[in-house]
Amino acid sequence: DTGVSQDPRHKITKRGQNVTFRCDPISEHNRLYWYRQTLGQGPEFLTYFQNEAQLEKSRLLSDRFSAERPKGSFSTLEIQRTEQGDSAMYLCASTPNSGNAGNTIYFGEGSWLTVV
Amino acid sequence: RKEVEQDPGPFNVPEGATVAFNCTYSNSASQSFFWYRQDCRKEPKLLMSVYSSGNEDGRFTAQLNRASQYISLLIRDSKLSDSATYLCVVLIVPYNTDKLIFGTGTRLQVFP
Repeated sequence: DTGVSQDPRHKITKRGQNVTFRCDPISEHNRLYWYRQTLGQGPEFLTYFQNEAQLEKSRLLSDRFSAERPKGSFSTLEIQRTEQGDSAMYLCASTPNSGNAGNTIYFGEGSWLTVV
Repeated sequence: RKEVEQDPGPFNVPEGATVAFNCTYSNSASQSFFWYRQDCRKEPKLLMSVYSSGNEDGRFTAQLNRASQYISLLIRDSKLSDSATYLCVVLIVPYNTDKLIFGTGTRLQVFP
């Protein structure tokens, strides 16, 4: 499979626990995005990497959230001290370095987080 | 105010109907425009780009009015398989970061 893969696909955690999601983008894609989507809403931008550099972070990304892309390949999104409001689908996406992101972006299937 | 606004619906239409969705965006620096489709509990997928001259892809027609900051999608001869959420998306490029901003989506349900 050469698409964007995310792991785990589903995670149920108790409030206050830490969780980490992993994203493996398409191998030749330099740009990587994390989005969050809650029920009835569209995906909301969280952060963006170009290779290993994190170039933009949304205000939605509180200090409990951290994302990394250490070698410019896979990325992780960690949520510390989870809250019920963190329950959502976390989407990872990647695009090649050239071309319009809107029509070259590929999304993973998402990681569903439920905080109980 | 959200950067991209859509009527959440749902739009319930019979097979064969024509249905139109509208979207407005607030950031005049928006550079590119798209419609994405999202099935229940799945990831969004590109349906079509939207150009100022208007463009058509089979039963789907998209229009962009930059002056009014308004985007539309028309679906003719609706099929059951068109049932999904349609997301209006704009691309902005602040500080050389390509960023896609999504609307809340408009849910379409086509019934027999």
